[in-house]
Amino acid sequence: QQQVKQSPQSLIVQKGGIPIINCAYENTAFDYFPWYQQFPGKGPALLIAIRPDVSEKKEGRFTISFNKSAKQFSLHIMDSQPGDSATYFCAASIRRETGANNLFFGTGTRLTVIP
Amino acid sequence: DADVTQTPRNRITKTGKRIMLECSQTKGHDRMYWYRQDPGLGLRLIYYSFDVKDINKGEISDGYSVSRQAQAKFSLSLESAIPNQTALYFCATSDPGTYQPQHFGDGTRLSIL
Repeated sequence: QQQVKQSPQSLIVQKGGIPIINCAYENTAFDYFPWYQQFPGKGPALLIAIRPDVSEKKEGRFTISFNKSAKQFSLHIMDSQPGDSATYFCAASIRRETGANNLFFGTGTRLTVIP
Repeated sequence: DADVTQTPRNRITKTGKRIMLECSQTKGHDRMYWYRQDPGLGLRLIYYSFDVKDINKGEISDGYSVSRQAQAKFSLSLESAIPNQTALYFCATSDPGTYQPQHFGDGTRLSIL
């Protein structure tokens, strides 16, 4: 089953708007929550990541909000631009004794920012 | 030049054929991964390798095999392709460490008729 649930599947906003993408998880052993951005014809690229000991992280126009008790985290894009149009994936990983930290991805959100 | 290179970029083949997808990297990373991406399902891990002698199954390894020929090369094989293996396949690399980002290639689009 999907270990990380992501919504919405698609999102259309006007330039300057603040799209919000939400993710939820059940496994409390997850300890790292990255977001990846993917443009058409390209592989995903790390955008921003958070660990559960903080509730918010900002990098430029991108902010992750993290709610540990609700087991939810979200990506906010401030002052969105047409160049932000892409597919966004949330993910989560568990650090294991073997050293493995495999990522479990959400299903993706296709964001379109209209000029 | 890309740090993580996947070949071929596109492949169309028939059911029952053996297929190999190749990945090479110039990042010097020890860890390499193979994922498949399907619409509405996101990315799912097929196999991963921590070094040349270490190969591990991921979430969906059935029907696939891998070979780590060198630190820089990691190939994915479909021994007898079936139509539901039609997908976009990505190779990724990372440094060791819990919070190291994974760096993805640009993918191979595989269609099995």
